Amino acid sequence: GAVVSQHPSWVICKSGTSVKIECRSLDFQATTMFWYRQFPKQSLMLMATSNEGSKATYEQGVEKDKFLINHASLTLSTLTVTSAHPEDSSFYICSAKEPIGGRDTQYFGPGTRLTVL
Amino acid sequence: ILNVEQSPQSLHVQEGDSTNFTCSFPSSNFYALHWYRWETAKSPEALFVMTLNGDEKKKGRISATLNTKEGYSYLYIKGSQPEDSATYLCAFITGGGNKLTFGTGTQLKVEL
Repeated sequence: GAVVSQHPSWVICKSGTSVKIECRSLDFQATTMFWYRQFPKQSLMLMATSNEGSKATYEQGVEKDKFLINHASLTLSTLTVTSAHPEDSSFYICSAKEPIGGRDTQYFGPGTRLTVL
Repeated sequence: ILNVEQSPQSLHVQEGDSTNFTCSFPSSNFYALHWYRWETAKSPEALFVMTLNGDEKKKGRISATLNTKEGYSYLYIKGSQPEDSATYLCAFITGGGNKLTFGTGTQLKVEL
């Protein structure tokens, strides 16, 4: 149980285009989903926390107009990288948490490798 | 800024060896410590959620201990197997929130 899928697994796009990444909880309802980013040789860094039906909370330094997050249902959150630039090239990974408590496990998707040319 | 440090950065061991790695985190305002196992091209897999000082958890050949007063956790693997090869991540939560702050991981390679 507790499977999270992410799509696409990799994407290459041209500078200036927008890219949408989907994160789905397949066998549980996730009231809270998280989006992380990882640059080479660095740790996973939280970008934003999204709660179903409300606006996402962004971490300091993450532009909310650039990284649009939508969590319209209990099983789907999307991250749209708008007007992507080469510096947005990174590994993006989502996680989902069941609505039990703050300490509980986050279940991760397999991630999306974004390359912006 | 919270800092979570893991050591060593990488480790090569022979099949059958036992090994351990360290996760250090700020000891103030501790809430929980998570361990994940991450194989290449797969999703990070949750191993343990540790909350109490002195906690010791076990899953098969893998176990972990927690010291919240001094701010460290150890992960042990007994009798390493090639399938244990992965990056082991720890992540720390403060003060009742949801936010995981990750270390950079320990990359383990188990050779035959």
